[in-house]
Amino acid sequence: AQSVSQHNHHVILSEAASLELGCNYSYGGTVNLFWYVQYPGQHLQLLLKYFSGDPLVKGIKGFEAEFIKSKFSFNLRKPSVQWSDTAEYFCAVNERGGYNKLIFGAGTRLAVHP
Amino acid sequence: DAGVIQSPRHEVTEMGQEVTLRCKPISGHDYLFWYRQTMMRGLELLIYFNNNVPIDDSGMPEDRFSAKMPNASFSTLKIQPSEPRDSAVYFCASSPLAGSYNEQFFGPGTRLTVL
Repeated sequence: AQSVSQHNHHVILSEAASLELGCNYSYGGTVNLFWYVQYPGQHLQLLLKYFSGDPLVKGIKGFEAEFIKSKFSFNLRKPSVQWSDTAEYFCAVNERGGYNKLIFGAGTRLAVHP
Repeated sequence: DAGVIQSPRHEVTEMGQEVTLRCKPISGHDYLFWYRQTMMRGLELLIYFNNNVPIDDSGMPEDRFSAKMPNASFSTLKIQPSEPRDSAVYFCASSPLAGSYNEQFFGPGTRLTVL
């Protein structure tokens, strides 16, 4: 069965620090990969997604993620975080060609201090 | 487009009462998903529909939970009877047809508290 692992459950950073959140998935077939963000008290919003092509994907608000197929990883990065990036981040995967069923990771809570 | 609409936004009820959560997906979307989010278990997929037909309800925790989608623009998630452990935020999401290449659009959620 598919699963998604996010190794960092809580991350605390100061503004301007660099961010990298880990995401690994287990699935033998071809997958699509997503990062969603949930700001405090709000619903989930899509940050970025990877379907094919360039493994380095750029999303909104300066975020990017790199798909490394050999490592089954899709880590999220941002060179310089802001206080407004404080949120919970979810990695998700679905099977290409299948139904749109997403498997989510447990999430990483990011707190950015001014 | 107004996005995915959920009602109510907050629900407080007593144990044993019936609870009905409602969702209106984005017009034209063929997939609808119900999720539950708790601190302990994170984001769990409960059930999803394609063209109003339930495809996978393996995430529904027990028989107290039921979901329906009588038409393309409306779905309900019902808990009867409710228990304190059902307290959570319930999200509805929708997605357009076209295989698995499309993102899911989430509603604002319903925060359920069962006393």
